[in-house]
Amino acid sequence: EAGVAQSPRYKIIEKRQSVAFWCNPISGHATLYWYQQILGQGPKLLIQFQNNGVVDDSQLPKDRFSAERLKGVDSTLKIQPAKLEDSAVYLCASSFVGQGRGSYNEQFFGPGTRLTVL
Amino acid sequence: QKEVEQNSGPLSVPEGAIASLNCTYSDRGSQSFFWYRQYSGKSPELIMSIYSNGDKEDGRFTAQLNKASQYVSLLIRDSQPSDSATYLCAVGNYGGSQGNLIFGKGTKLSVKP
Repeated sequence: EAGVAQSPRYKIIEKRQSVAFWCNPISGHATLYWYQQILGQGPKLLIQFQNNGVVDDSQLPKDRFSAERLKGVDSTLKIQPAKLEDSAVYLCASSFVGQGRGSYNEQFFGPGTRLTVL
Repeated sequence: QKEVEQNSGPLSVPEGAIASLNCTYSDRGSQSFFWYRQYSGKSPELIMSIYSNGDKEDGRFTAQLNKASQYVSLLIRDSQPSDSATYLCAVGNYGGSQGNLIFGKGTKLSVKP
């Protein structure tokens, strides 16, 4: 079974530029997550999709970050304009989520995109 | 604010010893608990999940959960240098729209040959 795919693996940009990251989840996984992981910290959820709908984007800085999952499969996360503090690893994860009790959202991560903002 | 607390370490153990990693969480409604291993420069890898009070064993790994104390731990028996990594504790509610996880900052484990 193929894992979560992400691209690019590395990106270096200047502040105020824009950048986009792509993620393809594990086949059959309805739920897709984007996390930001700053060095020395645990991953922090940015946005959660179930199929092509947003479930939780409460921690997404919406003035500069946007994400979409138009066909309920792959997803794109965009930053425009980037700031120095956006330097981090952006992780995509997916899970097979059923309904109700017993559906315990085991999440599997892709390799991540390391973003450096200069 | 839901929080997950871990000792950042580093925790250093000799090869062959038992490594004990601990995690506490603030949300009493939490139902699902996970341990991820993260090697330097790599993404988190799921190694254990536990949902009920008590112990769950998988090979050299044992997860322990005590919901009354809001405490979850991971024991690694016969520690190997290849176990040297950061271990992330993650806590969440059960499925559907409540599927997101709160992660701790991680505990760095170093296993000395």
